[in-house]
Order: sequence, then C-alpha cells, then structure tokens
Amino acid sequence: ETGVTQSPTHLIKTRGQQVTLRCSSQSGHNTVSWYQQALGQGPQFIFQYYREEENGRGNFPPRFSGLQFPNYSSELNVNALELDDSALYLCASSFKTTGVNEQFFGPGTRLTVL
Amino acid sequence: AQSVTQLGSHVSVSEGALVLLRCNYSSSVPPYLFWYVQYPNQGLQLLLKYTSAATLVKGINGFEAEFKKSETSFHLTKPSAHMSDAAEYFCAVSERGSTLGRLYFGRGTQLTVWP
Repeated sequence: ETGVTQSPTHLIKTRGQQVTLRCSSQSGHNTVSWYQQALGQGPQFIFQYYREEENGRGNFPPRFSGLQFPNYSSELNVNALELDDSALYLCASSFKTTGVNEQFFGPGTRLTVL
Repeated sequence: AQSVTQLGSHVSVSEGALVLLRCNYSSSVPPYLFWYVQYPNQGLQLLLKYTSAATLVKGINGFEAEFKKSETSFHLTKPSAHMSDAAEYFCAVSERGSTLGRLYFGRGTQLTVWP
C-alpha cells in the first residue's frame, strides 16, 4: 500500500510569483484535503476535493485554488505569492464515508516566499 | 465552529517520567477527536482517535487518551517517556455528522524528553 506523497519537498519563490504543489493520494482513497501549517502553528484547512470538485473551503482567498484528477491525485495552486504564504503545505487523503473520515497525511512541501 | 486549545506550548519531562499533554475542545456536540505527532521535517502521523463508545482510547507507541465530556477534554498520556517521543503533538477535532471531515487543530505542544 502506497502512502501519501507530495512534491516537491522544498520550494523557494519570490513575492508575486505563482506556485503549484502536487499530491498523490493513498491507494483506495477518493478525497484530498490541503492544509497550511505556518511556523509554530497548527495546520489550517485550505480546501478539500472530492470527485474532482471543491467540496469545502477554509478561510483562504481565491488565489488559493486546486485540482483533483481522475486518479485522485491533486494540485494546490497559489497565485500572487505573499510573504505570509511561507509555510509547510500538507496534503491529506481519505475515503469519504458517513462516519469519521480518517485523514492520512503526506510529508509536506516547505514553501519559502522571499 | 470548532476550536481546540492545547495548554502548554512546551512540555519537558525526564526519560521514564509520565507524559501528560492537555487538550480541550469547544463544541456543542462532542466531536471526533484525534492526536497527531509530527517529527521534525515530517508530516503528521495519527497516534489515536476517539469516535464513540470507549472513552479511554489506546494508540500507538504506548500513548492513550481519555475523553471526558463533562470537562470537554481529551488529554494525551504515556506512563513512561522515551527519548524517541520528543516531537510536536497536535490535538485535532472534526465535526460529528459532517461528511467533510475537516480537521481543526490546536497550536501544538512541543515535547522535550531529557535523558
């Protein structure tokens, strides 16, 4: 069973640029959630994708967008990068049920915005 | 909205001592409750979860947590700390009955274990 993988591991961008982060779900999972973890903070929910559509969103502006592909992999896109976007971005996959949706996390992508 | 409070951003214990990490939640309906561990430069690993039934939940690596509805708490304990337990620990909740499964995290507690 393959776990959740993310790429790249680290990324350095400058303010105003755009970035794409990638995530491969754990085998058998159909839902992907993205979280932002700023330094010294707990992860904050950005959004979730299910059946290739955004299924829920946290308090993040529209310049944060995503995609989910038929193979359940996902991308997080951030436009017009700001210094405060520097964080660890975590992807989590799960299988959507009516009960508890246990989420399995990838190792994260560390984004630095200069 | 759900919220989680972790009391104590840093906890230090000696190897072999009891580990107690505190978590309180705010929700009108008891949520699902989780504890995650994060080692340096890594993602989150699930330690244990409370969904229903048994209020004392056992997890991996000898950790356990007790759900106390009257205190809205879900504190994490381990009888005897090991050097390898040094990491950051996050308490999280998700709304019962929601298919979204969104997790709300506390700010985390950094555990240091002294030899």
